[in-house]
Amino acid sequence: DSGVTQTPKHLITATGQRVTLRCSPRSGDLSVYWYQQSLDQGLQFLIQYYNGEERAKGNILERFSAQQFPDLHSELNLSSLELGDSALYFCASSPATGLAGELFFGEGSRLTVL
Amino acid sequence: GENVEQHPSTLSVQEGDSAVIKCTYSDSASNYFPWYKQELGKRPQLIIDIRSNVGEKKDQRIAVTLNKTAKHFSLHITETQPEDSAVYFCAAGDKLIFGTGTRLQVFP
Repeated sequence: DSGVTQTPKHLITATGQRVTLRCSPRSGDLSVYWYQQSLDQGLQFLIQYYNGEERAKGNILERFSAQQFPDLHSELNLSSLELGDSALYFCASSPATGLAGELFFGEGSRLTVL
Repeated sequence: GENVEQHPSTLSVQEGDSAVIKCTYSDSASNYFPWYKQELGKRPQLIIDIRSNVGEKKDQRIAVTLNKTAKHFSLHITETQPEDSAVYFCAAGDKLIFGTGTRLQVFP
């Protein structure tokens, strides 16, 4: 158990819909990263938050948004869903405060868009 | 933009042989280079990492080497075992951009 909690574990929805994925980082970790992993694909970096502020952005679509709340949990919002958005979405937290450090991944949220 | 290339995409070895996976990165400002192992259906987990002030790091059967001038780093697994079978990812930089992964299969 990494200490990172993601909900829901599985989600099935239709094209055009909107979903919210939730992540609770490890206790004390200020950094949260979001990654997308499509079938047999690598880990695509979406976005990173540090202590409530956006720190870095990757190839995140405009239809996707995220935020980190004062209690440090984070949410990834996916809207106007398309078939190609079906993937495993990982959240990871890190205790690193300055330089990059070890990521602790959650179990992922598997999104299926029909 | 920042890019991390990883080779090979698949690697099959006999138990007891060595396995080497290589990565190159584009961002010369990168200072942190971790390797993650992802078993089937599970989350990625860190197996070893290296910072740019070090050229090599070892942890039992696993080692990582870094060549900052050439902007490449490698994972070496010696005396491979069937339980080493997994997908291995390299990553680089503060954003932790990941490579595309290497599926390692170790045959008994």
